[in-house]
Amino acid sequence: AQSVTQPDIHITVSEGASLELRCNYSYGATPYLFWYVQSPGQGLQLLLKYFSGDTLVQGIKGFEAEFKRSQSSFNLRKPSVHWSDAAEYFCAVATGNQFYFGTGTSLTVIP
Amino acid sequence: EAQVTQNPRYLITVTGKKLTVTCSQNMNHEYMSWYRQDPGLGLRQIYYSMNVEVTDKGDVPEGYKVSRKEKRNFPLILESPSPNQTSLYFCASTGVAGALFADTQYFGPGTRLTVL
Repeated sequence: AQSVTQPDIHITVSEGASLELRCNYSYGATPYLFWYVQSPGQGLQLLLKYFSGDTLVQGIKGFEAEFKRSQSSFNLRKPSVHWSDAAEYFCAVATGNQFYFGTGTSLTVIP
Repeated sequence: EAQVTQNPRYLITVTGKKLTVTCSQNMNHEYMSWYRQDPGLGLRQIYYSMNVEVTDKGDVPEGYKVSRKEKRNFPLILESPSPNQTSLYFCASTGVAGALFADTQYFGPGTRLTVL
């Protein structure tokens, strides 16, 4: 069965520090890969997506993600975190006609 | 403005009382979907629809029904709600021109359901 794993339930970083959120997927072929952000009490906003081509993908709000086929990973990064980045982050996979989300990583930003 | 709307946004009900959560999109999208979000479990797909009159089960369809009689609407029906269906529900839609999910999947604001 397809699965999306986000091993870090919660991460705390200082404002201005760099950030990396991990995501691993389990699927036979390369699926479509996504990162979404959910601010408290809000819906989901797409940060970026990967379908093919360049394995380093740029998204909104200064985020980027790198697809590594050999590791079945799609980690999200940001060089300098802002207090407004505090939110829950979901990695997701689309395969066939279905969409699968990871369990999410909650990000706390310390001033 | 492109949007997905859901109603109601909040609902408290009792076990066994049939309810419907409506979902509507104004983007002429073919694909629509329902998800539930639970703490520690992320979002899980309940049902999806590729187009009018075409629906299929997602990962957690038990206890839910859907219908797709019009392209813009995709209601979620709980015919006999139980407390384990207490959750936050999201409707979403996307177009299928080209590869499915190549276009952005738009999410509604969510419906928080409590079943007592």
